[in-house]
Amino acid sequence: GAVVSQHPSWVICKSGTSVKIECRSLDFQATTMFWYRQFPKQSLMLMATSNEGSKATYEQGVEKDKFLINHASLTLSTLTVTSAHPEDSSFYICSAQKGLLQETQYFGPGTRLLVL
Amino acid sequence: QKEVEQDPGPLSVPEGAIVSLNCTYSNSAFQYFMWYRQYSRKGPELLMYTYSSGNKEDGRFTAQVDKSSKYISLFIRDSQPSDSATYLCAMSEGGGANNLFFGTGTRLTVIP
Repeated sequence: GAVVSQHPSWVICKSGTSVKIECRSLDFQATTMFWYRQFPKQSLMLMATSNEGSKATYEQGVEKDKFLINHASLTLSTLTVTSAHPEDSSFYICSAQKGLLQETQYFGPGTRLLVL
Repeated sequence: QKEVEQDPGPLSVPEGAIVSLNCTYSNSAFQYFMWYRQYSRKGPELLMYTYSSGNKEDGRFTAQVDKSSKYISLFIRDSQPSDSATYLCAMSEGGGANNLFFGTGTRLTVIP
């Protein structure tokens, strides 16, 4: 199989705090992981592409200083939302790529973030 | 205009019905088309993957791509309550996982 986990599954925090979300590929090594964000009734939007051992590539309009991504190993990528504000409240979902093609991209269950 | 348009539903059908889910898109360069199924509180899982125009069948599922109309469809035959989920279409120009554009998803409920 190809299982991707995310932790935590949901988090509530106060405005101004930082939140770290972990994405793990449990039974395969992923050289590339992706971070998406989904607001209610909207599409999944790619935020950044994370490659093991190198800096993440951010999509246009995504603040790299606000959304820190660290892909420290072939099975773990982390997304840290720094100084979170209510407008950052969203559903964050990661995916890990097992091979070279889109059909080998496996998604995590997502993390729901609520910033008060 | 959004890159990918998908009716969010919700869509309710009786068990055994044929379900038709659709997406339209504006970028004529899209060549790779996917359908994902997402159960509540789970990540999307890939159902169908097609390249360019044509049909692809896998069990009760059939994916159709009409590039001339910029329109893709997913048909589910003999729908089951276990098919109740949100179905997302996605597409891209290249074969890699970057620049994958998703629809908003259609929430489907199959009533026993």
